[in-house]
Amino acid sequence: AQRVTQPEKLLSVFKGAPVELKCNYSYSGSPELFWYVQYSRQRLQLLLRHISRESIKGFTADLNKGETSFHLKKPFAQEEDSAMYYCALSRGAGTALIFGKGTTLSVSS
Amino acid sequence: NAGVTQTPKFQVLKTGQSMTLQCAQDMNHEYMSWYRQDPGMGLRLIHYSVGAGITDQGEVPNGYNVSRSTTEDFPLRLLSAAPSQTSVYFCASSPSGRVEQYFGPGTRLTVT
Repeated sequence: AQRVTQPEKLLSVFKGAPVELKCNYSYSGSPELFWYVQYSRQRLQLLLRHISRESIKGFTADLNKGETSFHLKKPFAQEEDSAMYYCALSRGAGTALIFGKGTTLSVSS
Repeated sequence: NAGVTQTPKFQVLKTGQSMTLQCAQDMNHEYMSWYRQDPGMGLRLIHYSVGAGITDQGEVPNGYNVSRSTTEDFPLRLLSAAPSQTSVYFCASSPSGRVEQYFGPGTRLTVT
């Protein structure tokens, strides 16, 4: 069965500390993986997709097919990074995204 | 482009009432979907549509109906509201042949 697991409900770090939000997936095919971010009471916004291999707002994520992981990383957290982060898997165009349960990132000074 | 729009932003219903949550997009996207967001549950798919006239059920369809008469609009109907349907509802769309989805601002629904 297809599944996305985000093991941490809440991750609290201090400003300037490194951040790693974990995401593991279960899928027999070749998935496309995404990270979405939701700032307080706002809509979900696409942050990263694995095929683009780009860095957005200092965040990066690498797909590790051997470990079936797609962890989100940032070397130096900022207070404005505080938000809910969702990892999501797509089985292809015209299909629904499968979301993890989300991780709340709280960055304090 | 306005993107994906949803109305209303907030709604309070009494148990047993019915209502329709509106979703529209002006990007000519073929794929549209409805999710509900609950604390600790992430986003769960309610219904989706791959084009006008075509709809299908998602993970949690009970108590909801949808129709897709035009490419632009994808309304979600609550037939007889229950407290378990208290949630934040998000509509999303995706262009044909693409996998990334674009989300609306959400509707916060409370059923008392």
